[in-house]
Formats: sequence, C-alpha cells, structure tokens
Amino acid sequence: AQSVTQLDSHVSVSEGTPVLLRCNYSSSYSPSLFWYVQHPNKGLQLLLKYTSAATLVKGINGFEAEFKKSETSFHLTKPSAHMSDAAEYFCVVPSRVNDMRFGAGTRLTVKP
Amino acid sequence: AAGVIQSPRHLIKEKRETATLKCYPIPRHDTVYWYQQGPGQDPQFLISFYEKMQSDKGSIPDRFSAQQFSDYHSELNMSSLELGDSALYFCASSSQGYTEAFFGQGTRLTVV
Repeated sequence: AQSVTQLDSHVSVSEGTPVLLRCNYSSSYSPSLFWYVQHPNKGLQLLLKYTSAATLVKGINGFEAEFKKSETSFHLTKPSAHMSDAAEYFCVVPSRVNDMRFGAGTRLTVKP
Repeated sequence: AAGVIQSPRHLIKEKRETATLKCYPIPRHDTVYWYQQGPGQDPQFLISFYEKMQSDKGSIPDRFSAQQFSDYHSELNMSSLELGDSALYFCASSSQGYTEAFFGQGTRLTVV
C-alpha cells in the first residue's frame, strides 16, 4: 500500500526566507503525489501534483516540489516565505482504488 | 469555476441524534470521497464512490452510511451521534481515480 510520511510536524521560518517541507513516500511503483494546503478554518486546496511527467513540479503561490525516486522524497519548497503562507500542508498519495492517503501534516509558521 | 459544494457548512446536533451531510461534486466528476478531520488531526478517509457505486471504504463507523445518487451528489448519513463525531467533514471529487481531488469547504459538525 502507498503511504506518505511528513518528517516535520511544525516548521517555523522568517518572512522572506526559504521554506522546506519534507515528505517521503512509500510505494511499490512510481506514484502520483500531491501537496495540499489548508488555511485555518478553510478547505483543502491543491498546491501542486506529480504525475510522472516532469520531476520538478511548479505549483501555485510560488511553491514547487521535486520528485526524487532514489530518495523516495517529494519535498515542498518556496524561495521566499510570505506571511500568507502560514497554514497546514499535507502531502498526499492515492492508495488502492479511490482513497487519498494524507500525511500527518506540517504546520508552517511565518514570523515577521 | 464551479467547485465542490457541501451543505450545511455548520451543524450542531445532540448526542444520539442523526445528521445528513450533502456533497455536490464538480460537474462531470465521477468520484466522490468523504473525509473526517478531528481537531488538530489530518483528514481520515471514510468512504468513496465511483459512478454511484461504493469503491473503497476506510475508517467509517458502522453508524455512518453514505451513497451517491444518479446526479452524482453524495450524502453521508450519521446516526446515534457521539461527542467524538464532532469534526470537520470534507467531501472531495475527482475525475477518474488517481487524479487530484478537489475539496469542498467542509461541514463542521458539533455534537453536544
């Protein structure tokens, strides 16, 4: 079965500094992978997706992620954090037939 | 663009009552997922439907049932509500398996 592990439950950065949110996946084949963001009291919004086309995926709001099969990783990055980036971020992998498996989430705090 | 619509947005019920949550997927999406997100928790998969048939089942209690109708909308029926059922319930829809899922804003259920 496919699964994801988010390595940090909480990441704190200063505004204008880089963001790195780590995600490792477990899969017997090259999976599809997604990053979703959830702002407080809001629904889940797709940031970006990997579907075996390009290994470097660009998403919304300046985020990008690189699929590294050798490391089974799909880390999310952004060169410069904004205050509005403060949210919960989930790494997600489809599992079985129709079941999206979420990581435990990483809470991103952005300090002024 | 049309998004996933969930109703109601907020619901307060007493213990042992029943509740029905509704989800209207994005037009032409054939797959609906239901998730439960407890306070401070990552979303937990409950159940999914593909072309009006149950396609996968997660950690859905026996007190809960769901179905997808001919117009593809879905309803989650919850009976004998318990305090622990208080959570944010998300519905998501997608077109075919393994593509990204688009989430509704969620229904916040409070059981008192």
